[in-house]
Amino acid sequence: DVKVTQSSRYLVKRTGEKVFLECVQDMDHENMFWYRQDPGLGLRLIYFSYDVKMKEKGDIPEGYSVSREKKERFSLILESASTNQTSMYLCASSLRQGASYEQYFGPGTRLTVT
Amino acid sequence: GQNIDQPTEMTATEGAIVQINCTYQTSGFNGLFWYQQHAGEAPTFLSYNVLDGLEEKGRFSSFLSRSKGYSYLLLKELQMKDSASYLCAVGAIGSARQLTFGSGTQLTVLP
Repeated sequence: DVKVTQSSRYLVKRTGEKVFLECVQDMDHENMFWYRQDPGLGLRLIYFSYDVKMKEKGDIPEGYSVSREKKERFSLILESASTNQTSMYLCASSLRQGASYEQYFGPGTRLTVT
Repeated sequence: GQNIDQPTEMTATEGAIVQINCTYQTSGFNGLFWYQQHAGEAPTFLSYNVLDGLEEKGRFSSFLSRSKGYSYLLLKELQMKDSASYLCAVGAIGSARQLTFGSGTQLTVLP
C-alpha cells in the first residue's frame, strides 16, 4: 500500500510566521505535488517536483516555496504566512513513468493563519 | 490551459443509479481521472480513462469521449457510504504528468 504522510493534521500560525509543511512517501515515487483545497475552488496545484532538487510552479505558487532534498520528502514553505493562506493543504505522489500514474494523497494539513 | 466543469451538487436515493458528468477543454490531454473524497479525508483514486469508451470496476464505471471532451462516472446500487465529493481531473502532458482538478460534485445519497 502506498503511504503518504504529512507532518501535522492541524496547524495554527500567526501572520508573518514562517511555516513548514512536510510530506513523506514510502513508494519510491518520482513525482510529488502540493495542493491547497478551498470550498468552491477545488484542488489547486501550488508546486510540484519530478525528481530530487527539481521543482516547477503550479497554478498558484505566489507566497509559497518548496524543497526536495530527498526523493521521499517534499516540503512546502510559507515564507511569511498570511490570513489568505488559511486552507487545507494536500500532498500527493505518483510514478513518473508507466501506464498508470494516479496520484496518492496524504491526509491533509488544515492550516489556520490568525 | 485546462477548464473543467462538473455539477456542484447531486442527490440520489439509496439503491438507485447516478451519473456524474464532467466536461473539459484542454491544450494537452493525457487521460482523465475520477477521485472520491469523503468529508475531512483525502481524495482516493477511483478510475482512469485514456481511450474512448467505458471502463467498469464493480459498482463504478467511467466513460470517456475525447472528441467531445466529455466523461461521466456512473455509480450503481447506491449506498449511503457513497455520499462524498467526486472529483474529475485531467492529466497533462508534462514533466510530472500533473493533474488539473474540477471543483468536485457533492453527492448526497438519501435513504
